[in-house]
Amino acid sequence: GNSVTQMEGPVTLSEEAFLTINCTYTATGYPSLFWYVQYPGEGLQLLLKATKADDKGSNKGFEATYRKETTSFHLEKGSVQVSDSAVYFCALLGWVNEKLTFGTGTRLTIIP
Amino acid sequence: GAVVSQHPSRVICKSGTSVKIECRSLDFQATTMFWYRQFPKQSLMLMATSNEGSKATYEQGVEKDKFLINHASLTLSTLTVTSAHPEDSSFYICSAARDRNTEAFFGQGTRLTVV
Repeated sequence: GNSVTQMEGPVTLSEEAFLTINCTYTATGYPSLFWYVQYPGEGLQLLLKATKADDKGSNKGFEATYRKETTSFHLEKGSVQVSDSAVYFCALLGWVNEKLTFGTGTRLTIIP
Repeated sequence: GAVVSQHPSRVICKSGTSVKIECRSLDFQATTMFWYRQFPKQSLMLMATSNEGSKATYEQGVEKDKFLINHASLTLSTLTVTSAHPEDSSFYICSAARDRNTEAFFGQGTRLTVV
């Protein structure tokens, strides 16, 4: 079946540091890939997505590129802010059965 | 984006009792709602998919008699954990979509602790 493996946290960075959260997946066919973010006390929000190989999703300074050859969708941001502190989930939407499969989530804390 | 409200955010109950969790779409009509569970340090796992006015579809390994799902209206789905046991302690989260082919929006989640 489909699976998502995500970098285990927690991750603590200083403000303005470079962020990478690794995500790799196993799936048949051509899944769509997502990053969700959950701020404290709130629901999951879609951060960005990519629906086919080599697509780059971007939003709020975050980027992730759908790499089929390495089955990866790593999340990056060049300069993080305190307000980026949250839990980040990588997910895929199966090509055959349209259900979201999530990674375990990575808690990110940015310190001033 | 659309707003999905989940209530309660935290609940503690005694073993053997039942607990109801509500998921509401506040500003749109949701024909499809999803219920997930997350154990510590594990992935969000889909438990069931519910469509308004019809029975929920449960994932393999999820006991339908234990996790009762009702999706009686286009804005409300409920998950009732019946005869709860400590092993049911988990984080439950719902999502709602206008239909199966559109983006789903998530609630804040409910932390259930059974003592």
